[in-house]
Amino acid sequence: NAGVTQTPKFQVLKTGQSMTLQCAQDMNHNSMYWYRQDPGMGLRLIYYSASEGTTDKGEVPNGYNVSRLNKREFSLRLESAAPSQTSVYFCASTDLGTDTQYFGPGTRLTVL
Amino acid sequence: SQQGEEDPQALSIQEGENATMNCSYKTSINNLQWYRQNSGRGLVHLILIRSNEREKHSGRLRVTLDTSKKSSSLLITASRAADTASYFCATEGNQGGKLIFGQGTELSVKP
Repeated sequence: NAGVTQTPKFQVLKTGQSMTLQCAQDMNHNSMYWYRQDPGMGLRLIYYSASEGTTDKGEVPNGYNVSRLNKREFSLRLESAAPSQTSVYFCASTDLGTDTQYFGPGTRLTVL
Repeated sequence: SQQGEEDPQALSIQEGENATMNCSYKTSINNLQWYRQNSGRGLVHLILIRSNEREKHSGRLRVTLDTSKKSSSLLITASRAADTASYFCATEGNQGGKLIFGQGTELSVKP
């Protein structure tokens, strides 16, 4: 089991560019999440997907869109990147039997 | 808005000592979880305590939950240098699945 994988690991964008962060899990989890982590802070929820075909906004959804492509994959898109989106982005999935979230290694994004 | 407030923000101890971190939250919860994050890595789940539980153990970890005070504590006994990391509490409310994280405690264990 690879667990939760994320690509890319690092990315530098210019203001206004777009990109998609990819996330996949091989644990057959129903729920998946996207968080951002800023220096010295905990994680803030951007979007989540309780099951395939559904997505909902979290605490900080502005400037982002998501797609739950299938049960395994949940992508996060920045349509027009801004410096305020410089952050580390984590994807996670939940084992509902234990309520435990499993995290990917993160994507470090810098927007110039 | 973040649910959990963690205290202290930073903690430095010697190997072999115990480390205690505290978390307070604001609204009713289904469960409270603790995660560890090593520098530059993702979060790793440590332990979950449900709202009807008061204490839970896992190896050198002991978690307590006081729902009347809306607070939890994480105790790491006989700490090791490898325990150096940031520790986050996270609460799951009644909507299920979504976690709200605290700002974390940065633990440094000196050999």
